[in-house]
Amino acid sequence: EIVMTQSPATLSVSPGERAILSCRASQSVSNNLAWYQQKPGQAPRLLIFEASTRATGIPARFSGSGSGTEFTLTISSLQSEDFAVYYCQQYNSWPPMYSFGQGTKLEIK
Amino acid sequence: QVQLVESGGGVVQPGRSLRLSCAASGITFSSYAMHWVRQTPGKRLEWVAVISHDENDKYYADSVKGRFTISRDNSKNTLYLQMNSLRAEDTAVYFCAKGDYWAAARTGVSFDWGQGTLVIVSS
Repeated sequence: EIVMTQSPATLSVSPGERAILSCRASQSVSNNLAWYQQKPGQAPRLLIFEASTRATGIPARFSGSGSGTEFTLTISSLQSEDFAVYYCQQYNSWPPMYSFGQGTKLEIK
Repeated sequence: QVQLVESGGGVVQPGRSLRLSCAASGITFSSYAMHWVRQTPGKRLEWVAVISHDENDKYYADSVKGRFTISRDNSKNTLYLQMNSLRAEDTAVYFCAKGDYWAAARTGVSFDWGQGTLVIVSS
């Protein structure tokens, strides 16, 4: 099983600043990595897939990078609605045995 | 507008069974792989199972293999999860999610999610 590790667990950033979230895979997942955002009481929402492709309707301030085992989600100029929990997920395994990171909580500083 | 609506959750005793449903609309349901993903009380997300568009292929997380069965009825645009021999550790919110075309590189991506249904396994 591929283990996904996110850091930090909690990130405190001021509105208008940039946030950088990290995700590490225990073995290479190529670029088969997605990022999701979850707000309290809501379902997760897809932000990024293929490590760097924004999903439909996702603002350009969200960007993803990385390949292999190291990935980053960058949110430039944080807006109030961006404070949430973010999860990474690998979907490289075949047969399917997908796995999520434990999440990073992005909070207002 | 994709809409996925889960139902069937509730409180159940350990060892008992429960069947979840997910009604889909706004998509050509029969074209896509579908997933079940659960979220534990500690907020961890865990992928549970995936089914191909034609129901020919099904895969499960090790933690549910042999106890849970994923299925679908494309004529009813509905996804199911039959959960048997439930354990306390199966307590979670269960989400259904729309994947991509089967065996595509992005099959494992959950593009759209329902709001979830809560399952509590407790005596």
